[in-house]
Amino acid sequence: SQKIEQNSEALNIQEGKTATLTCNYTNYSPAYLQWYRQDPGRGPVFLLLIRENEKEKRKERLKVTFDTTLKQSLFHITASQPADSATYLCALPPATGGGNKLTFGTGTQLKVEL
Amino acid sequence: DTGVSQNPRHKITKRGQNVTFRCDPISEHNRLYWYRQTLGQGPEFLTYFQNEAQLEKSRLLSDRFSAERPKGSFSTLEIQRTEQGDSAMYLCASSLDSGLAGGPRDTQYFGPGTRLTVL
Repeated sequence: SQKIEQNSEALNIQEGKTATLTCNYTNYSPAYLQWYRQDPGRGPVFLLLIRENEKEKRKERLKVTFDTTLKQSLFHITASQPADSATYLCALPPATGGGNKLTFGTGTQLKVEL
Repeated sequence: DTGVSQNPRHKITKRGQNVTFRCDPISEHNRLYWYRQTLGQGPEFLTYFQNEAQLEKSRLLSDRFSAERPKGSFSTLEIQRTEQGDSAMYLCASSLDSGLAGGPRDTQYFGPGTRLTVL
């Protein structure tokens, strides 16, 4: 079955630096990949979707890359701010059918310090 | 507020009791999903509906769990004879099926969740 791996250790960075989070997957080739943000006690909030034929996608200070050869997505936050502190989840759809149910990684907690 | 809403936000119950959660999706969305999330883990898929039809159920969804979406709008998730292992955040999400994988309408919008604690 498909497996998703994200760094389980928290990432601590200084304000203004670029945060880079990694999502690796195995056992299939998804049509797209999504990144979500989750704050404590809240539901995930959609950030970006990148399709298999796209190498990179940007939205304001966010950038996502998708390397289908390496089976890896990188999520970057440039000029990070304390308000960016949250858990970031990557999610993949099923290989076939499945109504777009998502399989999530465990998430990486980001802490941006002053 | 036109987002996904869930009620109640918190539920504390004793082992063996039945509980029911409600989810109101974004009004024009035809797909509705239930996920469960425990501490330190990502959300895990439980079941989903296309309009009123329940199209898939995870093996995580034991016989004690039942979900309905009677008119293709709101949905309920009932857990019978709750166990301590059922303690988790129950998340609902909705989306609009575009029929095209990775299309902009495949985004799932999540509600705030219902936190269940079974004593």
